[in-house]
Amino acid sequence: KAGVTQTPRYLIKTRGQQVTLSCSPISGHRSVSWYQQTPGQGLQFLFEYFSETQRNKGNFPGRFSGRQFSNSRSEMNVSTLELGDSALYLCASTLAGGPQETQYFGPGTRLLVL
Amino acid sequence: AQSVTQLDSQVPVFEEAPVELRCNYSSSVSVYLFWYVQYPNQGLQLLLKYLSGSTLVKSINGFEAEFNKSQTSFHLRKPSVHISDTAEYFCAVTRISGGYNKLIFGAGTRLAVHP
Repeated sequence: KAGVTQTPRYLIKTRGQQVTLSCSPISGHRSVSWYQQTPGQGLQFLFEYFSETQRNKGNFPGRFSGRQFSNSRSEMNVSTLELGDSALYLCASTLAGGPQETQYFGPGTRLLVL
Repeated sequence: AQSVTQLDSQVPVFEEAPVELRCNYSSSVSVYLFWYVQYPNQGLQLLLKYLSGSTLVKSINGFEAEFNKSQTSFHLRKPSVHISDTAEYFCAVTRISGGYNKLIFGAGTRLAVHP
């Protein structure tokens, strides 16, 4: 089975622009979570989608949004980019979104905001 | 709310030596505990997890972790490390109920294995 894939792998944007990141979960997985990883703040939960519904959201401003499609693929969008949004964005998928399940992570999208 | 503290940001060790990476957590509700590993330029991979039952859990590559409820700890150990174990290790928790599968991570411990 193919793993979690994320596109693009690398992205350079300038302040004020917006960006859309994509995540394709493992086939059959219905839950997708997004995390931001930075040297200063570490790994922080952004949000989780299950069956096209956002079930959980972390403490991020409204500039961060996401969605999930009927095929479980997910996108996250960041509008009005700030320098502090430079980070590795990781998505993870699970079969049914249960807390006991192993989360399978993609390789991440590295975003640099100039 | 839950929080995770990894007591060492970096741990240098010689090859074939034992290692312990320490993790303490704080939570007012019951949690599941996880260790994930991140190799350079990669995403995270599950190393092992504690859900219930025996407090000692083991991975296929020789790591083990012991859940200690009274000390709210979940330390990771390996009796003999290899160069290939060089990576960053993250301890994480998630609520058993009500939190779905939101992981709360510690800051990470960078394990550097030297020949």
